[in-house]
Amino acid sequence: AQRVTQPEKLLSVFKGAPVELKCNYSYSGSPELFWYVQYSRQRLQLLLRHISRESIKGFTADLNKGETSFHLKKPFAQEEDSAMYYCALLGASGSRLTFGEGTQLTVNP
Amino acid sequence: NAGVTQTPKFQVLKTGQSMTLQCAQDMNHNSMYWYRQDPGMGLRLIYYSASEGTTDKGEVPNGYNVSRLNKREFSLRLESAAPSQTSVYFCASSARISSGNTIYFGEGSWLTVV
Repeated sequence: AQRVTQPEKLLSVFKGAPVELKCNYSYSGSPELFWYVQYSRQRLQLLLRHISRESIKGFTADLNKGETSFHLKKPFAQEEDSAMYYCALLGASGSRLTFGEGTQLTVNP
Repeated sequence: NAGVTQTPKFQVLKTGQSMTLQCAQDMNHNSMYWYRQDPGMGLRLIYYSASEGTTDKGEVPNGYNVSRLNKREFSLRLESAAPSQTSVYFCASSARISSGNTIYFGEGSWLTVV
């Protein structure tokens, strides 16, 4: 069974502070991991894929297979980063996409 | 380039009524998904379809049926709506590309059952 856990439902930081959104997963094979962002109940937007190892809007995430984690980080949070963030796992067969419960990030001025 | 299109965007149903949420994608993706989003519970998979002609249950399939009509369309049906099915429903589609999988979401369907 595949599972994604985001331990923090709410996270609040001040503008300019570093932020880390945690994601842990459970999967026996080699999954693909994603981070999605959702602003005010809009469509989910892809933020990052672990395969591409890119940086979007200053966010980065590294897959740690030993700790089965894929934490999302940003060194200096901005107010416009306030949103709901979801970590997601796609199994090796590429057919089942599982989400974590989400973390609501609030960046205070 | 429409991507993933869901209809209707908003719907109010009475308990016991039936309805179908429609989803279509124009990207020639093999896999399609239906999720429901509830406060504090994230997105939970209702059903998915790995390819045309196949469907599989997700985490919360009870009370729902799906139909993969063709490669483009994947519909979700509520046969007898219940207040517990009040939620926001998202359809998604995915395909494997050279750099991995790419997944796109629809804009969501807000369903209220009274």
